[in-house]
Amino acid sequence: EAGVVQSPRYKIIEKKQPVAFWCNPISGHNTLYWYLQNLGQGPELLIRYENEEAVDDSQLPKDRFSAERLKGVDSTLKIQPAELGDSAVYLCASSVGGNNEQFFGPGTRLTVL
Amino acid sequence: RKEVEQDPGPFNVPEGATVAFNCTYSNSASQSFFWYRQDCRKEPKLLMSVYSSGNEDGRFTAQLNRASQYISLLIRDSKLSDSATYLCVATKSGNTPLVFGKGTRLSVIA
Repeated sequence: EAGVVQSPRYKIIEKKQPVAFWCNPISGHNTLYWYLQNLGQGPELLIRYENEEAVDDSQLPKDRFSAERLKGVDSTLKIQPAELGDSAVYLCASSVGGNNEQFFGPGTRLTVL
Repeated sequence: RKEVEQDPGPFNVPEGATVAFNCTYSNSASQSFFWYRQDCRKEPKLLMSVYSSGNEDGRFTAQLNRASQYISLLIRDSKLSDSATYLCVATKSGNTPLVFGKGTRLSVIA
């Protein structure tokens, strides 16, 4: 069975440019998470979806970050405009409703120059 | 104060050694606890859940002390392949987000 798929794996952009990350969760997983991981830190939640509904986006910097999961399956996370401090790994995870085990994708490593 | 705190290490141990990591959590409402393993430049993967009664999986033993709000992970007979970062995780319950510690880096040396 395929795991969580993310693309691109790496992205290098200049500051003030927009960038988008895509995630396809494990089939049948209705809960999807976007995490941000800085070097030497643990992942930190940005947003959580239950199906197509964003149920926790309190940590998402809404002035520049947006996310969507229109059909309750795959999801896109966007940053516009990107800042130098956004350089990090963006991890997507998914889980079955009511099950704590979250499966992570390989992440997108973003470098903002 | 961070909600989940860990000693970042690194812990450098010889093969065959026993090593223990501790982790403390500040939110007394936390109900579920886990250890995740993260290899360099890879995603975190669940290593084991931590139950109130303690649990063991091969060379790995996890324990929870609710009164003192700490979690431990013991690795016996360390292997080179155990070298990784071990992330302590707490969560309230159900489908709530995982709260990760910074991770403890382990290097097992031949």
